[in-house]
Amino acid sequence: DAGVIQSPRHEVTEMGQEVTLRCKPISGHDYLFWYRQTMMRGLELLIYFNNNVPIDDSGMPEDRFSAKMPNASFSTLKIQPSEPRDSAVYFCASSWNRDGYTFGSGTRLTVV
Amino acid sequence: SQKIEQNSEALNIQEGKTATLTCNYTNYSPAYLQWYRQDPGRGPVFLLLIRENEKEKRKERLKVTFDTTLKQSLFHITASQPADSATYLCALDMQGANNLFFGTGTRLTVIP
Repeated sequence: DAGVIQSPRHEVTEMGQEVTLRCKPISGHDYLFWYRQTMMRGLELLIYFNNNVPIDDSGMPEDRFSAKMPNASFSTLKIQPSEPRDSAVYFCASSWNRDGYTFGSGTRLTVV
Repeated sequence: SQKIEQNSEALNIQEGKTATLTCNYTNYSPAYLQWYRQDPGRGPVFLLLIRENEKEKRKERLKVTFDTTLKQSLFHITASQPADSATYLCALDMQGANNLFFGTGTRLTVIP
């Protein structure tokens, strides 16, 4: 298995633009998580899905953030409009039965 | 408020010695605790999981202890090697919740 695949690896965008981050979880994993990592706040959970259904989105900072999981092999995290304070590394992770998460390599987002 | 503390931001240790990292938590009743390793520019990698009814778990040169009375986990790397240099994160799964809360990590440097 190729692991959790995220794209793009790096994204630089201007304030106000829409940003879409993509994630392909490991086949057979029933949980998918989106995390954000910054130096100041560490790893923060944004939202997670179980069997493609959003379970807890209380970590999503604002209505500008949205996430979808249309099928078991794909999820997106969208920020619209983006702001400089959204600059961070965004990780997608998947797990089976929540035992040991497998993280992707992350997307480094810079909003200028 | 809920809090997870890892003993220090950085720990330097001589090659061959045992590295001991600490994870303390307050206001949690975790069902289990996990340890991850993160290298620069990469996502966290799952190392070990220990459940609340387990006192100790081992994997090769790694050992984790979990004391729910002290609300503390210790993570040991024996016979440390320069390749063990990385940031180590502890994460707790709170009973009744469905996500991992991460500590801010300890950056370990093993000096040859």
